[in-house]
Amino acid sequence: DAMVIQNPRYQVTQFGKPVTLSCSQTLNHNVMYWYQQKSSQAPKLLFHYYDKDFNNEADTPDNFQSRRPNTSFCFLDIRSPGLGDAAMYLCATSIGGGKGQPQHFGDGTRLSIL
Amino acid sequence: TQLLEQSPQFLSIQEGENLTVYCNSSSVFSSLQWYRQEPGEGPVLLVTVVTGGEVKKLKRLTFQFGDARKDSSLHITAAQPGDTGLYLCAGGAGNTPLVFGKGTRLSVIA
Repeated sequence: DAMVIQNPRYQVTQFGKPVTLSCSQTLNHNVMYWYQQKSSQAPKLLFHYYDKDFNNEADTPDNFQSRRPNTSFCFLDIRSPGLGDAAMYLCATSIGGGKGQPQHFGDGTRLSIL
Repeated sequence: TQLLEQSPQFLSIQEGENLTVYCNSSSVFSSLQWYRQEPGEGPVLLVTVVTGGEVKKLKRLTFQFGDARKDSSLHITAAQPGDTGLYLCAGGAGNTPLVFGKGTRLSVIA
């Protein structure tokens, strides 16, 4: 089945130690998103790629970066994680980035900071 | 800035009861989507509504888009424990990504 896969499902890192989360998709969608979701809150958009074009949300912290080497893969790099970065990180894809295109989500990576 | 307000924030009901959750905005959206998210999983799309006044049914779930395309409701008939989860509404407009509400966390007790 076509899907969005996130690895790992659970990630533990140390305060200040860089960490990379990965997302792959078999849907061949041209848009990929990264969201941060904290307990009992809505997903917060960090950035998205429309094809190769990177779009950063204005309030995304500078230590959050992303790479999209090809259509299928997208990575979230956190350069120096702080305790406040502990959260669920969701990857999503869509066909086109606007006009309310439905998004297909992975099951997320839960990041813990020691 | 477009905002979507969801209410109630939390809802705990007995199995078999009916419920309605709401999603409101002062902005017009070209489409509105409802997602359900279960613990430890990503949100899953339930429905997309695009026409003002549109009503869609998905088994025991009824979704309505307001006539002015500024609000939506989700009604669940005879709720079951399997309906437990976080219900998120998300609005789309223009060429920008979806705007998500903060969600309604529903707990259905057997």
